[in-house]
Amino acid sequence: GENVEQHPSTLSVQEGDSAVIKCTYSDSASNYFPWYKQELGKRPQLIIDIRSNVGEKKDQRIAVTLNKTAKHFSLHITETQPEDSAVYFCAASSTGGFKTIFGAGTRLFVKA
Amino acid sequence: ETGVTQTPRHLVMGMTNKKSLKCEQHLGHNAMYWYKQSAKKPLELMFVYNFKEQTENNSVPSRFSPECPNSSHLFLHLHTLQPEDSALYLCASSQAASGYEQYFGPGTRLTVT
Repeated sequence: GENVEQHPSTLSVQEGDSAVIKCTYSDSASNYFPWYKQELGKRPQLIIDIRSNVGEKKDQRIAVTLNKTAKHFSLHITETQPEDSAVYFCAASSTGGFKTIFGAGTRLFVKA
Repeated sequence: ETGVTQTPRHLVMGMTNKKSLKCEQHLGHNAMYWYKQSAKKPLELMFVYNFKEQTENNSVPSRFSPECPNSSHLFLHLHTLQPEDSALYLCASSQAASGYEQYFGPGTRLTVT
C-alpha cells in the first residue's frame, strides 16, 4: 500500500546550525507534499508545502525540496532557534485522491 | 469560534461507558478526519469523510463509530473501549479529501480506566 517513510526519528542540533529531515513516498500519483510542525501540547500546523510542478520552495528560514524521480522530499531549516524544537511530520497526497499519508514524525531538539 | 474546535478537551471514561467526541469546523471545508495520536503511532488516520460520505476506514475497531451529519460536524462515538485506546484524538478538516492543507483541532485527551 501507499507509504511515507521519514528520517531521522530524532534530531538534535545546536542553535544556529541547520536541520534536514527527509521523506520518501511510494505513490507515484502524489503531487502535494505538506510539512506540519507540532509543538508540545499543541495541534499540528502547516509550515510549508510544495506541489509537484516545482522543485523547491522557500519561506524565510524554511525550505522544502522535491525530487519526483527519486520520490523524495526534504525539509531544511537554517539558523535553527530553540523555538524550532517540535515534532515535524511530512505527508503526501494527490489532488482528487482520497487520503493523505503522513510520515512517522521527527522530533527536533535545538540546544541553546 | 474560528477554525476547528473539539469538545471535550479531556475525557476520562470506564471501559463500560459510552461517550462521544465532537468536532466542528468553521472553514467551509468539505472533508473531515479523525486521527489517533499516541506514543506508539504519532499520527494514525482513523476515518475520512468527504462531502459527508465516509471514504476511508483505516481498519478501526467497531468500538469506535463515526458520524458526520453535515460537512461542518463530525462525531466519534465510543463504547466498551480498552485501556490501550487512551490517546489524543485529533479532528481535522480540509477543502477536499486529498491534495490540500489540513487544519487540526486542539484534540481530546482520552483516558480509559
